Amino acid sequence: AQSVTQLDSHVSVSEGTPVLLRCNYSSSYSPSLFWYVQHPNKGLQLLLKYTSAATLVKGINGFEAEFKKSETSFHLTKPSAHMSDAAEYFCVVTEAGTYKYIFGTGTRLKVLA
Amino acid sequence: NAGVTQTPKFQVLKTGQSMTLQCAQDMNHNSMYWYRQDPGMGLRLIYYSASEGTTDKGEVPNGYNVSRLNKREFSLRLESAAPSQTSVYFCASSRTERDEQFFGPGTRLTVL
Repeated sequence: AQSVTQLDSHVSVSEGTPVLLRCNYSSSYSPSLFWYVQHPNKGLQLLLKYTSAATLVKGINGFEAEFKKSETSFHLTKPSAHMSDAAEYFCVVTEAGTYKYIFGTGTRLKVLA
Repeated sequence: NAGVTQTPKFQVLKTGQSMTLQCAQDMNHNSMYWYRQDPGMGLRLIYYSASEGTTDKGEVPNGYNVSRLNKREFSLRLESAAPSQTSVYFCASSRTERDEQFFGPGTRLTVL
């Protein structure tokens, strides 16, 4: 069965420094993978998606993620954190055959001034 | 375009009361979903509707019912609320099952 693991429940970075949020998945086929962001008391917004095209995916607000099949990873990065990036981030993999979303448990990003 | 809208934003119920959460989308999407979000658990799928006229159970359907009223609207009903149903509920929609999902702002429900 498909599953997704977000390796850090909390990450703190200083403003202007790089962001790395880690996500590993397990899947017996070629999955679709997504990153969503949730700002406090808001709904989820799609940051980027991987659907078997280019392995390096660029998203909104300067975020990008690289699909590495050999490592079964889909880590989210940003070169320079901004205060407005403080939020919770969810990695999502789709279930084989049904396309249903399977969510990771989330990583809360804190950005320090 | 409003995207996905949900009503109400907040609700407090007593154990045993019933209520319906409303969801509507204006993107002409075929598929709609209901999730619940609990601390430390990500989002879990309650029910979904792949297309108008169909509904299916997700991971945690017990205690809930749904109605796909038309292509735009998908409601979630709690017939007899329990404290374990205290959660934040999100509705989502997608063009088809294979496409990315767009989420509403959520309903925060407390059951006393």
